[in-house]
Amino acid sequence: NAGVMQNPRHLVRRRGQEARLRCSPMKGHSHVYWYRQLPEEGLKFMVYLQKENIIDESGMPKERFSAEFPKEGPSILRIQQVVRGDSAAYFCASSPPSRADYNEQFFGPGTRLTVL
Amino acid sequence: DAKTTQPNSMESNEEEPVHLPCNHSTISGTDYIHWYRQLPSQGPEYVIHGLTSNVNNRMASLAIAEDRKSSTLILHRATLRDAAVYYCILSGSGGSNYKLTFGKGTLLTVNP
Repeated sequence: NAGVMQNPRHLVRRRGQEARLRCSPMKGHSHVYWYRQLPEEGLKFMVYLQKENIIDESGMPKERFSAEFPKEGPSILRIQQVVRGDSAAYFCASSPPSRADYNEQFFGPGTRLTVL
Repeated sequence: DAKTTQPNSMESNEEEPVHLPCNHSTISGTDYIHWYRQLPSQGPEYVIHGLTSNVNNRMASLAIAEDRKSSTLILHRATLRDAAVYYCILSGSGGSNYKLTFGKGTLLTVNP
């Protein structure tokens, strides 16, 4: 059973460009979470999605950031008009419905975004 | 959110037990205690979780104080692959319990 997959692993963008980060959850997992880890800090929750629904986006910046988890295909975290402060590691995690109450989330390897 | 306090770093020797402490004096009655670890350049990995009773799994043991204001993650025989940052996290049993809040954690160094 393959783990959570994220791509790309490294992404370099210039200020003002768009960044699209992809996350494929583990097989059978319908819950996806995105976290951001700024340099020298712990991971911070951004958004929680289930198939075709955003459940909680309380950790998402109000502007430029959006997330989706379509019926088919991976979850996408999209950052428009990137700025240098967006440089961070972005982690995706997934969990199966039956274990969501226990919060055992399975994390991907992360995408390291660098904004020049 | 209830906060946790962990030492910044700890050091151990290979094949010796390691006890990683965590203080959570403001824990509420419904908060679970979770431990995750993060190896260099990787995503966090679930280690163990518990509510009131001590817990054991193939990776580690979790000892929870009777008043639940502290807990200890126990690695019975440290290996070089256990070198990582260990995070102690609290979450409620309902509502937004999926919202894990990672602090600075404890950086564990394992000496050969």
